Amino acid sequence: EAQVTQNPRYLITVTGKKLTVTCSQNMNHEYMSWYRQDPGLGLRQIYYSMNVEVTDKGDVPEGYKVSRKEKRNFPLILESPSPNQTSLYFCASSLGPLGSPLHFGNGTRLTVT
Amino acid sequence: GQNIDQPTEMTATEGAIVQINCTYQTSGFNGLFWYQQHAGEAPTFLSYNVLDGLEEKGRFSSFLSRSKGYSYLLLKELQMKDSASYLCARAGLNTDKLIFGTGTRLQVFP
Repeated sequence: EAQVTQNPRYLITVTGKKLTVTCSQNMNHEYMSWYRQDPGLGLRQIYYSMNVEVTDKGDVPEGYKVSRKEKRNFPLILESPSPNQTSLYFCASSLGPLGSPLHFGNGTRLTVT
Repeated sequence: GQNIDQPTEMTATEGAIVQINCTYQTSGFNGLFWYQQHAGEAPTFLSYNVLDGLEEKGRFSSFLSRSKGYSYLLLKELQMKDSASYLCARAGLNTDKLIFGTGTRLQVFP
């Protein structure tokens, strides 16, 4: 089954404790992206990747890192999480950024205390 | 978010027709997506318009006017399961970013 898998679904952590949210897709998609979704603000792009070893900042990259060492994986890293990073995070992939629909993972609800 | 506007909330009755509008910045425009998102779930793709006109997919249709910077999603024969948020998203020329509107929360009542 074609899917985007992100883990964990729920995560509660404390300020400053490094964490990684994993994302994997099995559709051989070149484009992958991370979004955060907050009430009243909608989906905002954090980072995206056009292909292996190619990553670029989205609209809200501060406090986040990503890597794209393999085509299927695109982990999101929070080196020192802060409470303002409490949010719902979605990973998504597509054949390309223009004209191809995004396939979203099921989301990760992160709470930073 | 870069001048994408859509109403925050709408309500409608089961069996009715509802139109959800989206306006966007026209410069550098390359296409418009609509996604559906049920509460607590991931967005799912509904439609993509790049040319002017109406595209119909069953009970859902999407319209685009490039010159006016305007799109709408038309939902016919509303069902309770159509209660969800509807997100429009703008694709730009010479950019790899997809910019989302804040979403329209639709509530369908019996």
